[in-house]
Amino acid sequence: DQQVKQNSPSLSVQEGRISILNCDYTNSMFDYFLWYKKYPAEGPTFLISISSIKDKNEDGRFTVFLNKSAKHLSLHIVPSQPGDSAVYFCAVGTMTTDSWGKLQFGAGTQVVVTP
Amino acid sequence: ETGVTQSPTHLIKTRGQQVTLRCSSQSGHNTVSWYQQALGQGPQFIFQYYREEENGRGNFPPRFSGLQFPNYSSELNVNALELDDSALYLCASSPPPGSSYEQYFGPGTRLTVT
Repeated sequence: DQQVKQNSPSLSVQEGRISILNCDYTNSMFDYFLWYKKYPAEGPTFLISISSIKDKNEDGRFTVFLNKSAKHLSLHIVPSQPGDSAVYFCAVGTMTTDSWGKLQFGAGTQVVVTP
Repeated sequence: ETGVTQSPTHLIKTRGQQVTLRCSSQSGHNTVSWYQQALGQGPQFIFQYYREEENGRGNFPPRFSGLQFPNYSSELNVNALELDDSALYLCASSPPPGSSYEQYFGPGTRLTVT
């Protein structure tokens, strides 16, 4: 069963505009959440994370929002740049000792930033 | 600081054969996790190694096995290869459990089973 869903397989956005990527999860036990970016022929690169005690975390152009009651997180990229064109994965996990680091990933959203 | 490295980059095997993939963790990281990424999907957790012992396993059969060495490098072994094992295999390293939950991935090994 798919516990992490990224319902938009692709997103096209103009350079300078905002990119909004969404992710839904089903298990309320998840308590930390991450976004990764992946270019072709490379491994996923960590972007930003948030724990369940927060509802927002910001790092430069990247902001992650968490809505625990809706089991929903989103990634905002402002402003979008051509180098942001990549596949973005959300990943979730639990901070219990026996589950530490065992991430579950969504299927990814392909972002294309056009000039 | 050296990042996560994996070898080989690409590999072609025949159904029924066995394969070994290798991973060197990032400096200072003693936990290694392996993931399988099929085409068009997100990475799926296979298992994790911490202090040379398996520390959790995903929904993969026993023919997927691994090792971690004293220098924290790791191997993933797959026996009796099946066509569905064709995928990108990713290794991720991280600091000890409880310190940081960010994982750092290598570039992956692309396995093709024919």
